[in-house]
Amino acid sequence: GEDVEQSLFLSVREGDSSVINCTYTDSSSTYLYWYKQEPGAGLQLLTYIFSNMDMKQDQRLTVLLNKKDKHLSLRIADTQTGDSAIYFCAERAPRGGFKTIFGAGTRLFVKA
Amino acid sequence: DTAVSQTPKYLVTQMGNDKSIKCEQNLGHDTMYWYKQDSKKFLKIMFSYNNKELIINETVPNRFSPKSPDKAHLNLHINSLELGDSAVYFCASSQENRGVGPLHFGNGTRLTVT
Repeated sequence: GEDVEQSLFLSVREGDSSVINCTYTDSSSTYLYWYKQEPGAGLQLLTYIFSNMDMKQDQRLTVLLNKKDKHLSLRIADTQTGDSAIYFCAERAPRGGFKTIFGAGTRLFVKA
Repeated sequence: DTAVSQTPKYLVTQMGNDKSIKCEQNLGHDTMYWYKQDSKKFLKIMFSYNNKELIINETVPNRFSPKSPDKAHLNLHINSLELGDSAVYFCASSQENRGVGPLHFGNGTRLTVT
């Protein structure tokens, strides 16, 4: 989507860390999300962060938020082949009735 | 126990036909959505209902008509199907009346129009 941008592809080796980046344009965004989509499945919520936080950690996942630069990142530690999927960044903002706007998704390839 | 379930999973039909996709959620959420995912995986919201009331209606052809008989169901009816309607349609739900909640998605309905 034009309001949320992500790089389309990322390739890493098993055991390495993956960092997926996202930029958004609406400074009033209140919630920022990361979703994972595996082939043939719907989107699964991985984690989310409130706009008044700058970091959130959940097991292998670390989310960093830089509000000044409107930049969000997802770090996956010790990446496994099962992490291969499409990762979507999404924002919710008061405009448009708290509509969730998705990025185009980053395709993560994990090589064994 | 599937939280958001949609049927059918696959739908193959010819141009000009009318078809429906059904969605049900058992999460007790008050808001439901239809999203369209194109072949490049881009997701775009189509409709949103809060407590059976339409609150988001994006620029979608009026051949698409959502219907929400109750809070737990949101169906999508498509008239006069066109080739460009081929996509994966996702139903989702969220809880909104106690703050903004994340979306919970169904597994999608892959619609192919020939």
